[in-house]
Amino acid sequence: EIVLTQSPATLSLSPGERATLSCRASQSVSSYLAWYQQKPGQAPRLLIYDASNRATGIPARFSGSGSGTDFTLTISSLEPEDFAVYYCQQRSNWPLITFGQGTRLEIK
Amino acid sequence: QVQLVESGGGVVQPGGSLRLSCAASGFTFSSYGMHWVRQAPGKGLEWVAFIRYDGSNKYYADSVKGRFTISRDNSKNTLYLQMNSLRAEDTAVYYCAKDSPLYGVADYWGQGTLVTVSS
Repeated sequence: EIVLTQSPATLSLSPGERATLSCRASQSVSSYLAWYQQKPGQAPRLLIYDASNRATGIPARFSGSGSGTDFTLTISSLEPEDFAVYYCQQRSNWPLITFGQGTRLEIK
Repeated sequence: QVQLVESGGGVVQPGGSLRLSCAASGFTFSSYGMHWVRQAPGKGLEWVAFIRYDGSNKYYADSVKGRFTISRDNSKNTLYLQMNSLRAEDTAVYYCAKDSPLYGVADYWGQGTLVTVSS
């Protein structure tokens, strides 16, 4: 089973700052990595698929990069609505997908 | 627009059973695979099960294999999760999600239904 490890567990930043979230896979997942955002009491929302492609309607301040085992989600300038929990997900052995444990992005 | 509405959650005793439903609309349900994903209180996301668009193949997480059964009725645009031999650790919000076949992601999610296993 491929394990995804996200870091940091919690990231404290202010609006307008740049956020960098990391996801590391226990073995290569090629570019088959996605990112989701989840706000309290809501379902997850797909942000990025195949490492670097924004899903429909996702603002350009969200970007993804990486391949193999190391991936990054970057939010270029934080808006108040971006404070949430972010999960990465791999699909290299689809449909048995797995998620990382999440990174909580909180207001400093 | 795509809508997924789960129902059937509730409180059940350990060892009991429950069937969840997910009513789909806004897309051609019979053309897409579907996932169930759960989230224990205060925890992360855990994939539970997947069913192909035509129901021909089903896949399960090891944690639920042999206890849970995923199924679908394409004539009713509805996805199901039959949960038997429930345990306390099955307590979670259960989400149904539409699969994006090109990219292997869950591109649309329902709002979730809470299952609590407790005596």
